[in-house]
Amino acid sequence: EDKVVQSPLSLVVHEGDTVTLNCSYEVTNFRSLLWYKQEKKAPTFLFMLTSSGIEKKSGRLSSILDKKELFSILNITATQTGDSAVYLCAVCVSNSGNTPLVFGKGTRLSVIA
Amino acid sequence: DVKVTQSSRYLVKRTGEKVFLECVQDMDHENMFWYRQDPGLGLRLIYFSYDVKMKEKGDIPEGYSVSREKKERFSLILESASTNQTSMYLCAIQETSPLGYTFGSGTRLTVV
Repeated sequence: EDKVVQSPLSLVVHEGDTVTLNCSYEVTNFRSLLWYKQEKKAPTFLFMLTSSGIEKKSGRLSSILDKKELFSILNITATQTGDSAVYLCAVCVSNSGNTPLVFGKGTRLSVIA
Repeated sequence: DVKVTQSSRYLVKRTGEKVFLECVQDMDHENMFWYRQDPGLGLRLIYFSYDVKMKEKGDIPEGYSVSREKKERFSLILESASTNQTSMYLCAIQETSPLGYTFGSGTRLTVV
């Protein structure tokens, strides 16, 4: 059974801290790994990673994939209260396009002033 | 960019009622999904569809059914709502390339 595990499940940090969120996976037919940010409503797309060792970066957020060790990390530097959200990791499996993403349970990040 | 619209943001229904949750996309994507999201349990797949009139059970289909008569619309039906179906319901479409999701804004359903 395909599985995605995120850790920690929740995290409280102070503004300005740097955080690292973890996502490990055990799936057959890995195609890509995706990160989403969910505030009050719908998850919004952050990154898609397909190749090991290539960092994706957007402002203070960055992410990298290790396909040998089967994990990804999401880093947030100089955290702000607006970073408070649930961060979801998902893995796309198979090449057919008709397979749902496999989601982790998410990491709830709270950034306090 | 594709837009995914869920008809209601908040809904309160009584136990035993039949409930329809609608999801509409403004493009032509084939794959559409219904999830429920509960604290500590994450996103759980209820049903999905990869074409008109096609449907596949997800991980927790019991108590739910779906309808996809037109490509742009995917409806989730609670045949007889129960209090344990109180949840956030999220609809998603899967992009052709890359194969990530675009989500609707969610419907928070309370069954009393």
